[in-house]
Amino acid sequence: SQTIHQWPATLVQPVGSPLSLECTVEGTSNPNLYWYRQAAGRGLQLLFYSVGIGQISSEVPQNLSASRPQDRQFILSSKKLLLSDSGFYLCAWSTLRTGWYEQYFGPGTRLTVT
Amino acid sequence: RKEVEQDPGPFNVPEGATVAFNCTYSNSASQSFFWYRQDCRKEPKLLMSVYSSGNEDGRFTAQLNRASQYISLLIRDSKLSDSATYLCVVNAGGTSYGKLTFGQGTILTVHP
Repeated sequence: SQTIHQWPATLVQPVGSPLSLECTVEGTSNPNLYWYRQAAGRGLQLLFYSVGIGQISSEVPQNLSASRPQDRQFILSSKKLLLSDSGFYLCAWSTLRTGWYEQYFGPGTRLTVT
Repeated sequence: RKEVEQDPGPFNVPEGATVAFNCTYSNSASQSFFWYRQDCRKEPKLLMSVYSSGNEDGRFTAQLNRASQYISLLIRDSKLSDSATYLCVVNAGGTSYGKLTFGQGTILTVHP
């Protein structure tokens, strides 16, 4: 069965510090991978998606970046965090399954920028 | 107009009640439709996909009306454990690589 891991679970970082969040998927190959952010009381916003190693598409201009160094590894980074980067960061994966793109989410990282 | 719109609620219902959530979407090219549930401070979890002919999974029934660009979720015999936020989700289809657009969610509280 497929599982998705994210770490860390919670993070408190000062403004201007760097960020690195990691997501790994097990039990599937060549998944599509996604990074979402959910601000407090808000809906999910798609930040990046990837259809393969080294292939990253950005949905929203921001000071964040993403990388996919391995098939089942997706990393979200920032060189300098802003207060507005606080939120719940969720990684998700999907594969083509009977024609539908059902996405499955990791447990998330709750980031507070102080 | 938002791409996916839901009544935010909250819906407060007693155990055993039937409750219905509605959702509209703006992209007529959308091909895939889902309902997710999200518990407080947790990740969203897929509840069910929504098929053109409508589908049922136990106490949950989903309907799709492509002409009206409308999706619904019916929960029968509500349980306390059904309390959560229900997210209406739409995929744009085509070459969108599985990108999903999420509604803001409808909050459901089931009380004894």
